[in-house]
Amino acid sequence: KQEVTQIPAALSVPEGENLVLNCSFTDSAIYNLQWFRQDPGKGLTSLLLIQSSQREQTSGRLNASLDKSSGRSTLYIAASQPGDSATYLCAVREVQGAQKLVFGQGTRLTINP
Amino acid sequence: NAGVTQTPKFRVLKTGQSMTLLCAQDMNHEYMYWYRQDPGMGLRLIHYSVGEGTTAKGEVPDGYNVSRLKKQNFLLGLESAAPSQTSVYFCASSSAGAPRGNQPQHFGDGTRLSIL
Repeated sequence: KQEVTQIPAALSVPEGENLVLNCSFTDSAIYNLQWFRQDPGKGLTSLLLIQSSQREQTSGRLNASLDKSSGRSTLYIAASQPGDSATYLCAVREVQGAQKLVFGQGTRLTINP
Repeated sequence: NAGVTQTPKFRVLKTGQSMTLLCAQDMNHEYMYWYRQDPGMGLRLIHYSVGEGTTAKGEVPDGYNVSRLKKQNFLLGLESAAPSQTSVYFCASSSAGAPRGNQPQHFGDGTRLSIL
């Protein structure tokens, strides 16, 4: 059974710092990995999608990497801003069966002005 | 530019009442999913559909039923609501096109459901 783990569960950093969020998964048979952002009481906003054949994707100040063989992904946020405060979720899309997304429990990020 | 639309956005029910949550997508996607999100549990799959007229159980299907009579709609029903079903429900859809690795899941804004 696929399991996705995100560490740390919560992170608080001062504004302007660069930071890394971690995601690990147990089964490398995936189609892709998605990083989402979720603001309190809101839905999921897709940030980046990395196909299983890719190593990284970039969007603005965000860079996500994928090492499928080791079952790891990182989300790098450069020059953090208070507006980046949110919960960040990673999810892998399974190859088998429903091809559903299996989610980690998220990292709650707080950027302090 | 609607994407995935969920109705209603909020609902309060009494134990034993029934209701239906509606998910509609305008992207002609084959796959549709219902997840629930609970504190400390992350998002878990309730039911899913790989095409019109087909549905299947996910991880936590008990107490729920689904129907997909039209390709664009996926309904989630609670026949007799229980307090344990208090949660935030998300619908998602994705294409079955190739390459699968390039197909993201698109999510609705969620339905916040409280069962008293």
